[in-house]
Amino acid sequence: AQSVAQPEDQVNVAEGNPLTVKCTYSVSGNPYLFWYVQYPNRGLQFLLKYITGDNLVKGSYGFEAEFNKSQTSFHLKKPSALVSDSALYFCAVRDINDYKLSFGAGTTVTVRA
Amino acid sequence: SQTIHQWPATLVQPVGSPLSLECTVEGTSNPNLYWYRQAAGRGLQLLFYSVGIGQISSEVPQNLSASRPQDRQFILSSKKLLLSDSGFYLCAWSSGSSYNEQFFGPGTRLTVL
Repeated sequence: AQSVAQPEDQVNVAEGNPLTVKCTYSVSGNPYLFWYVQYPNRGLQFLLKYITGDNLVKGSYGFEAEFNKSQTSFHLKKPSALVSDSALYFCAVRDINDYKLSFGAGTTVTVRA
Repeated sequence: SQTIHQWPATLVQPVGSPLSLECTVEGTSNPNLYWYRQAAGRGLQLLFYSVGIGQISSEVPQNLSASRPQDRQFILSSKKLLLSDSGFYLCAWSSGSSYNEQFFGPGTRLTVL
């Protein structure tokens, strides 16, 4: 079985400050990891993914994420947050042999001006 | 490029009425297709997925059903809606390989009264 935990329901940061959204996962084999962002009443937008290789993955809109196998984590980061980054963020994991994604409960990010 | 469409965008239906939500994908062939429900703007629940025409896997027993009459068409149906069926319904697609990300449609907001 595979699962994802996003321990923070909400993250609040000031514009220009670093942003981190936490994610830990559990899979039986090697994980495929994904981050998505959702704006109100919209579908999810893909940000980035980790499949293999370099543990630091760069994605859209200046976001990056670091895969840490020993801590089973895949935290999303942005060095300097923008007000427009305010949204709901989802981490997801897929086992190598599965078509299905397991999503976390989501973290609401609020960036204040 | 690939695009995914969902309609209608919003729907208000009485309890006990039927439901049909449609999802179509353009610009790709033989996609994997998924239906999710999102309640209260939070986590996503996978309802159905399909890896080919006529092949439907159900994740959660309920009064909903899904069909895939054509390669790039995925339909979510119900014969009699319940109040608990209210939510935001998202369709998604991915290419055949399991390491590829899913791309989401704009969603349908269903309110059952």
